Amino acid sequence: AQTVTQSQPEMSVQEAETVTLSCTYDTSENNYYLFWYKQPPSRQMILVIRQEAYKQQNATENRFSVNFQKAAKSFSLKISDSQLGDTAMYFCAFRLNRDDKIIFGKGTRLHILP
Amino acid sequence: AAGVIQSPRHLIKEKRETATLKCYPIPRHDTVYWYQQGPGQDPQFLISFYEKMQSDKGSIPDRFSAQQFSDYHSELNMSSLELGDSALYFCASSPPGTSTNEQFFGPGTRLTVL
Repeated sequence: AQTVTQSQPEMSVQEAETVTLSCTYDTSENNYYLFWYKQPPSRQMILVIRQEAYKQQNATENRFSVNFQKAAKSFSLKISDSQLGDTAMYFCAFRLNRDDKIIFGKGTRLHILP
Repeated sequence: AAGVIQSPRHLIKEKRETATLKCYPIPRHDTVYWYQQGPGQDPQFLISFYEKMQSDKGSIPDRFSAQQFSDYHSELNMSSLELGDSALYFCASSPPGTSTNEQFFGPGTRLTVL
């Protein structure tokens, strides 16, 4: 069975700083996708960034980038120039290529301080 | 751009009552997914439908049933409600094609069971 682990339940950083959220996962499969979702106080689930396991190049979306280490089964999210609007719960998530379901980690609550 | 629509947004029920949650996917999306997020928890996959057929099943109680209709909207029926069913229920949809890996989440239905 696939599992996703987020070891940081809560983090706080000052506005404009860079922050890295950690995520590890476990699978014996080779074809899968990894995601980071943001859930602000509104509780809406917003896709931040995704990574296909077969791609070696790390995904980047504006201020958000990932460090994907397939052998280590690690998938961290880096937020550069953090903004107050980045305050949210962040979920690392995994999906097998052949499956429908997304498996979420327990989440990291991120506070951006003014 | 059109998004996933869920109704109602909020629902309050008594124990042992029945609830029906509705999901309207993004136009031309043919796959629908249901997730349950308890208070302070990560979302848990319940069930999914592709082209009106159940395609995957997760930790959905026997008291719950779901279906996808000819217009691709989906309904989650919940009977004999229990206090533990209080949660945020997300519907997500994805477009046709094997290359797709993103699920677009709706705003959720907040169910409170008293």
